[in-house]
Amino acid sequence: EVQLLESGGGLIQPGGSLRLSCAASGFTFSFYAMTWVRQAPGKGLEWVSGISGSGGNTYYADSVKGRFTISRDNSKNTLYLQMNSLRAEDTAIYYCAKDSQYCSDGSCYSGWSDPWGQGTLVTVSS
Amino acid sequence: QVVLTQSPSASASLGASVKLTCTLSSGHSSYAIAWHQQQPEKGPRYLMKLNSDGSHSKGDGIPDRFSGSSSGAERYLTISSLQSEDEADYYCQTWGTGIKVFGGGTKLTVL
Repeated sequence: EVQLLESGGGLIQPGGSLRLSCAASGFTFSFYAMTWVRQAPGKGLEWVSGISGSGGNTYYADSVKGRFTISRDNSKNTLYLQMNSLRAEDTAIYYCAKDSQYCSDGSCYSGWSDPWGQGTLVTVSS
Repeated sequence: QVVLTQSPSASASLGASVKLTCTLSSGHSSYAIAWHQQQPEKGPRYLMKLNSDGSHSKGDGIPDRFSGSSSGAERYLTISSLQSEDEADYYCQTWGTGIKVFGGGTKLTVL
């Protein structure tokens, strides 16, 4: 069974830093791209960042570019999100998700999110 | 960039059917999407991938009551024989190279 378990959330002051972790099990971690998605209180889902299976390609939403860094340690089956210069608007539950893979016309791609972790809450407040 | 539009809310009676809509922005009507369910106080759960031709593949354990269909730029999620546990937020999602895009979500109330 595929499992994703986030940790590292908490209360942090504006301008501070936090590192989230997502421990993965039940699949060959290095074969799959991974994603971070967040959900502010009472709001919808917002894509934050993605990383390829090898870690060689990373992608960021404009709202976090230059402040957040996604990485992975395939030897530890763990995904990370380093969050710096945190702002009140970064307050949210942060979910990690495994990217699906599908093939079309002879090429294979990363697609939708499945499954999701249970999330970890980050609160940025003084 | 593609935008996904969902109605903020929907409601239907216990035992009835409901059809939720996700609309792809202009020029993106060929895109596949995924539907996700988020029950109160829980993380999202993948329901199905839905292609532009209406073919779909459901996640493990998703009941037959959940089905998908497509028409042009519209992607639909139909839930039949509504149960109380279907009361949840429903999100559509699409993707590109390295990125993901979500609709704003539809809050479904089961009356």
